[in-house]
Amino acid sequence: AQKITQTQPGMFVQEKEAVTLDCTYDTSDQSYGLFWYKQPSSGEMIFLIYQGSYDEQNATEGRYSLNFQKARKSANLVISASQLGDSAMYFCAMREGPGTGNQFYFGTGTSLTVIP
Amino acid sequence: EAGVAQSPRYKIIEKRQSVAFWCNPISGHATLYWYQQILGQGPKLLIQFQNNGVVDDSQLPKDRFSAERLKGVDSTLKIQPAKLEDSAVYLCASSLARYGTYSGANVLTFGAGSRLTVL
Repeated sequence: AQKITQTQPGMFVQEKEAVTLDCTYDTSDQSYGLFWYKQPSSGEMIFLIYQGSYDEQNATEGRYSLNFQKARKSANLVISASQLGDSAMYFCAMREGPGTGNQFYFGTGTSLTVIP
Repeated sequence: EAGVAQSPRYKIIEKRQSVAFWCNPISGHATLYWYQQILGQGPKLLIQFQNNGVVDDSQLPKDRFSAERLKGVDSTLKIQPAKLEDSAVYLCASSLARYGTYSGANVLTFGAGSRLTVL
């Protein structure tokens, strides 16, 4: 089974609007971390936001927030007030607990295009 | 804090030739990862080091790929002989996280990547 599933290959959003990128995960660990990375066309992977499995509040970092629904095993990224510079690939990732050697699993990504 | 350094940024070779990529992680980061990212896909783990020991190389095609991390600092990934399907970006990443400890928020920090084209 896929550890991380991103079902939206491509998304479009109007500039200044909000957009939600979906991510579901699969793990039997109690301790895990969820991450979102941005990859612009230049290729570097940029860390955006982190959510721990025991965190009760949703993580926020500026215009990024993570909508964490533990029972549903989903960790959707919300970008508010989209900007043209937000156009990029977005990857959801998970790190499982210590017993798995701190492996990271990545999804297949969502390509976001911000329309002026 | 200096980031993860990788070289070369770009490499074009013919099939059956060999190539090597170098990575210098963030100082103090115990764990180093090599990922392969084929165009349009997510990163796929090739090998993970904890200091200079291999933690996971289950997805490394060992008949042609090899990697080492001497002295637990920088690392080299080699492909010999290269195939057309090896065309990809090779991403190196490092993390403070140590095997056997819950590392939670320890972020994976990536280098800029090495783009390989095999003709």
